Amino acid sequence: SQQGEEDPQALSIQEGENATMNCSYKTSINNLQWYRQNSGRGLVHLILIRSNEREKHSGRLRVTLDTSKKSSSLLITASRAADTASYFCATDPNAGGTSYGKLTFGQGTILTVHP
Amino acid sequence: SQTIHQWPATLVQPVGSPLSLECTVEGTSNPNLYWYRQAAGRGLQLLFYSVGIGQISSEVPQNLSASRPQDRQFILSSKKLLLSDSGFYLCAWSVGVYTEAFFGQGTRLTVV
Repeated sequence: SQQGEEDPQALSIQEGENATMNCSYKTSINNLQWYRQNSGRGLVHLILIRSNEREKHSGRLRVTLDTSKKSSSLLITASRAADTASYFCATDPNAGGTSYGKLTFGQGTILTVHP
Repeated sequence: SQTIHQWPATLVQPVGSPLSLECTVEGTSNPNLYWYRQAAGRGLQLLFYSVGIGQISSEVPQNLSASRPQDRQFILSSKKLLLSDSGFYLCAWSVGVYTEAFFGQGTRLTVV
């Protein structure tokens, strides 16, 4: 079953606004990752946050992780039309032993940024 | 730099026909390799992963199989396709543990 659940399922905003997407998961994790997918394309890795980290930044992206609530959020600041895509969170579960990067993905948030 | 090649980009196959999707990685050694499937409008589901030549682990029971004949080559196969095998198949690689994955551009398979 899918571990990550994302909220909202779809988000529509104007260029220049901020976009916030949330992800919840169920089990202990080694890390949580966010990916972007343009329509009909492969996924592109955006950012990885480890279980002992609480916040991470990369350019206009800010990711937070709350392991006590088993949740994460992705904030895209000053959004652009080119940010239009689906965004997925993925967890690297800590189930004992080595996970070998077997990621469990959420259902994704479809972000539409209107120019 | 590392690159991943996945082909074909699209494929339409009749029910009962065989399948072979190929993925190769360049610029890295001993990668972990993965096959994921994405149903329309949904997240990815891990099908197979491999940590070395000939080492394949299946994550879900299904009509598909995977093989890794060379270090940087990963093949997804089926002897007889079902309608339910339709989907978007993505190959990915990573190196080491607890790191990010890098995805190919995917193959859209339609079984008719």
